[in-house]
Order: sequence, then structure tokens, then C-alpha cells
Amino acid sequence: QKEVEQNSGPLSVPEGAIASLNCTYSDRGSQSFFWYRQYSGKSPELIMFIYSNGDKEDGRFTAQLNKASQYVSLLIRDSQPSDSATYLCAVKTGFQKLVFGTGTRLLVSP
Amino acid sequence: EPEVTQTPSHQVTQMGQEVILRCVPISNHLYFYWYRQILGQKVEFLVSFYNNEISEKSEIFDDQFSVERPDGSNFTLKIRSTKLEDSAMYFCASTNGGRATDTQYFGPGTRLTVL
Repeated sequence: QKEVEQNSGPLSVPEGAIASLNCTYSDRGSQSFFWYRQYSGKSPELIMFIYSNGDKEDGRFTAQLNKASQYVSLLIRDSQPSDSATYLCAVKTGFQKLVFGTGTRLLVSP
Repeated sequence: EPEVTQTPSHQVTQMGQEVILRCVPISNHLYFYWYRQILGQKVEFLVSFYNNEISEKSEIFDDQFSVERPDGSNFTLKIRSTKLEDSAMYFCASTNGGRATDTQYFGPGTRLTVL
């Protein structure tokens, strides 16, 4: 069973701080890695994806990938209360389906 | 901005009844998916669909499930005889390519409640 693991949280950070969200995956053949944000009762909303080792930045968000360690992370700089949500790590195995982790709940306090 | 739409937003049904969940993918997209999320659990893949046929399905997608693209815009998921454990949010997603880096865009979901 190909798994994606995330700490369920909640991860609590004060407004303006950096939030660090982590994800590990079991399938070494995984090729691309996605971070989605999900508000309660809503659908997953894409934040960004990464497929090469290293860092990828998009605004306040930075995704980091280390294929040797099978580890993906998402950093959120200058966290805002509106960033409070569940963050889903998803791994594309093969070319089609996404395999999701259980998500990490982030709470940003004013 | 184009988006995936789903109807209905909430469906309540009796156990044993058939339900059809409807999705309109983004217009130029060619790959379509159904996922489900049981309350408090992770999002799970059900099925992928390309070129009018199923390209991959999970062990959840058994004989009681079927998918169809009845016309050029709709993509449907049918559950023939619903069970209590089918209660979940069902998300449709679409993408314009089958490459590993192609992003899947999700619809708002249909909440299915089986009584």
C-alpha cells in the first residue's frame, strides 16, 4: 500500500510566524508532489506543486522536496489567520491518481 | 476563471437507492476523476476516466459504482445500491493532460448522506 504520511496537528502558530508542514511518502517511484489547502466542508484547493529536488517558491509559500529522504514540506511565511485550514499533501504515482495524506490542521492565532 | 462544477451540493437518499452525482469538468480538460472523503478521513481516489473509458480504478470502485460521460460536458458517477458507508463528500476533478505534473482541479463536492 503506497502511503502518504502527515502529522494531523493541529499546528498552532502566531500571526506573522513561519508555519512548517511536513509530509513523507513511501513510493520511491513517485514523480510529483502537490500541496492542497482544504477549509472545513470545502474541496481541496491547489497551493502549489513540485517535482524536482530542492525548493520552489510562490509568494508566501515555499515547497521543498527531498526524494532521497522521501520528504516534502511546505513553508508558509508571514502566516495569516486566513491561512487556518487543513493542508493536504498529495503524491502522484504514475500519471494519473493522486494519493493524499490525512492532512495537517493549521491554526494561526491573531 | 474556469472551474469544475458539481450538482447537487447535497444529496440525501435511502439505503439501497440509486444515486447519480453530476460534474461538469473544465471545458478543455480531457482527464476526469472521482474522489471521495468520508467525514474526518483522507481524500481517496475512486476512478480516472480518459477517452471515454476508465483508465484506473481503486478497490473502493466496485461493481456498484459506474461512471459515464453522456455528452460533451457532463461526467457522472452512479452508485447503484447505496450503503450507509457510502456517506461521504464526493469530489470530481479534471486536468488537461496525463503528465505527472499536470494539476487536478477539484469541484466543490457533493455531500451524499445515506440513511
